[in-house]
Amino acid sequence: NAGVTQTPKFQVLKTGQSMTLQCAQDMNHNSMYWYRQDPGMGLRLIYYSASEGTTDKGEVPNGYNVSRLNKREFSLRLESAAPSQTSVYFCASSLGGVGEQFFGPGTRLTVL
Amino acid sequence: QQQVKQSPQSLIVQKGGIPIINCAYENTAFDYFPWYQQFPGKGPALLIAIRPDVSEKKEGRFTISFNKSAKQFSLHIMDSQPGDSATYFCAASTRNAGANNLFFGTGTRLTVIP
Repeated sequence: NAGVTQTPKFQVLKTGQSMTLQCAQDMNHNSMYWYRQDPGMGLRLIYYSASEGTTDKGEVPNGYNVSRLNKREFSLRLESAAPSQTSVYFCASSLGGVGEQFFGPGTRLTVL
Repeated sequence: QQQVKQSPQSLIVQKGGIPIINCAYENTAFDYFPWYQQFPGKGPALLIAIRPDVSEKKEGRFTISFNKSAKQFSLHIMDSQPGDSATYFCAASTRNAGANNLFFGTGTRLTVIP
């Protein structure tokens, strides 16, 4: 089992460019999450998907969109990147509403 | 506003010491309190978790102490080793039929000196 995989590992964008971060899990988990990690701020939830076909906003959703493509895949899109979106992005999954979240290795994004 | 407050920001101990990391919360609806360990360049991984119906949980060298009335919980690492050097995050969430949304503390960078 690969667990939670994320692509790409690193990305540099210019202000205003768009991109999609990909996430996939092979643990048959129902719930998936996107977090961003910034120095001194811990991890903050951007969006989550409780189950296939549903998505909801987390703490910091502005500037992002998500798609739960199927049970395995959950993507995060930046339509018009801003320097404030420079961060490390983590995808996670869990079996359901109660239980451990498993994290991917992260995507380090720099917006110039 | 940070829903879970964590201290200290960084901690240096000698091998064999007992580092203690503290967290506090305000939302009484929180009922799941995990601790995550993160090594540089990696994603966080669950270390140990506790629910508020117990005051202490021990797994190997890691212990969570939980004080429901004070709305505080802490992580103790017994006989710390250089391999424990990492960043530790506390978190909290509420029971949710659909998803388990975690609110994280700001992290503690632990260094264990050989």
